[in-house]
Amino acid sequence: SQKIEQNSEALNIQEGKTATLTCNYTNYSPAYLQWYRQDPGRGPVFLLLIRENEKEKRKERLKVTFDTTLKQSLFHITASQPADSATYLCALEGSARQLTFGSGTQLTVLP
Amino acid sequence: DSGVTQTPKHLITATGQRVTLRCSPRSGDLSVYWYQQSLDQGLQFLIQYYNGEERAKGNILERFSAQQFPDLHSELNLSSLELGDSALYFCASSVGGVPEETQYFGPGTRLLVL
Repeated sequence: SQKIEQNSEALNIQEGKTATLTCNYTNYSPAYLQWYRQDPGRGPVFLLLIRENEKEKRKERLKVTFDTTLKQSLFHITASQPADSATYLCALEGSARQLTFGSGTQLTVLP
Repeated sequence: DSGVTQTPKHLITATGQRVTLRCSPRSGDLSVYWYQQSLDQGLQFLIQYYNGEERAKGNILERFSAQQFPDLHSELNLSSLELGDSALYFCASSVGGVPEETQYFGPGTRLLVL
């Protein structure tokens, strides 16, 4: 069956460090992958989309990589700040031709 | 602010009841999506409409139904409510309704079934 797994339920890092979040998938052949940020009690907010022919994509302090051989995407936040604390969701197109979301990684950046 | 509005923000009701959740998409967006988010299930896709027509269906229960009106707002109807239906319900919208488009999420409706 199709599965999207995001590393650990919670990740704590020190301010200024780089946070690295993982998204692994099985039984998908995605043409793209999306990352969203969700704050408690609020709707997800789109961050980045990376296509299968793009190895890496950057937006300000964010960097996403996509390895279709490993079936994995890595999401990096450099120079992390307490304001980056949130849950980060990866999403792939599922069998219903709709986005299927991972369960998310909760990131806490400690001051 | 995503531009997607949802009402009500909170809803408390009893088992067996029926409720209606409302969503207005961003101006110019033709597609509306409904998602359910509970603590143990994560964000689950329920159903999508595009310009008034149902386009895709996820794991939506038969007790749930939705529609999109000519003015593009959408309603999600939940009936014969059970305790397990307690969750956050999100509406999202996008321009053309294709999966790789950015989806803009509303603030959600928190439903509590007692």
